[in-house]
Amino acid sequence: AQSVTQLDSHVSVSEGTPVLLRCNYSSSYSPSLFWYVQHPNKGLQLLLKYTSAATLVKGINGFEAEFKKSETSFHLTKPSAHMSDAAEYFCVVSPSYTGTASKLTFGTGTRLQVTL
Amino acid sequence: DGGITQSPKYLFRKEGQNVTLSCEQNLNHDAMYWYRQDPGQGLRLIYYSQIVNDFQKGDIAEGYSVSREKKESFPLTVTSAQKNPTAFYLCASIQTPRKARTGELFFGEGSRLTVL
Repeated sequence: AQSVTQLDSHVSVSEGTPVLLRCNYSSSYSPSLFWYVQHPNKGLQLLLKYTSAATLVKGINGFEAEFKKSETSFHLTKPSAHMSDAAEYFCVVSPSYTGTASKLTFGTGTRLQVTL
Repeated sequence: DGGITQSPKYLFRKEGQNVTLSCEQNLNHDAMYWYRQDPGQGLRLIYYSQIVNDFQKGDIAEGYSVSREKKESFPLTVTSAQKNPTAFYLCASIQTPRKARTGELFFGEGSRLTVL
């Protein structure tokens, strides 16, 4: 069994300040973890993924996430927010070695607001 | 450019009518997926297909039907049996060998269905 919890439904930051979007997971297996971003009325785009290589994963647009097994967390961070980062972010967990997306579990999403 | 094309982007339907959402991909991916997205919820899997002429029910298949006659195409029909069809529908595809770690899902831009 697996689950994912995004701890904040909405996060607001000022432009130029750090971003932290929190994600905790539960998995009976060694998981793969993903962060996807969705801009309004668009599909989702992969930001980054963890698949048991380096625990600190770098993604696109300056985002990174750290896999912490002891804390069962995979928080998404960015040093300096930009207005274009305003979007909805989804944390996703999957059992490793499935080769299929049918076992993905999506979090409920965190809406990031960036203000001037 | 390779990608996934969903149409129509917006669709209105009267109660009791069936409607078909189109999904076409030119990524040469074997597996395709249909998700439903409701506000404040994660994506929920409706149907998926890992190969032509084969498809499987996801978590919320009731009231929906699909076909996979061609590798590139995976249309979704929302039938009158679907009790609450108003939602944002996302089509996605993935190219990952079965025993590999789950790869990246590629998404279309979605179709927003409103039942009047």
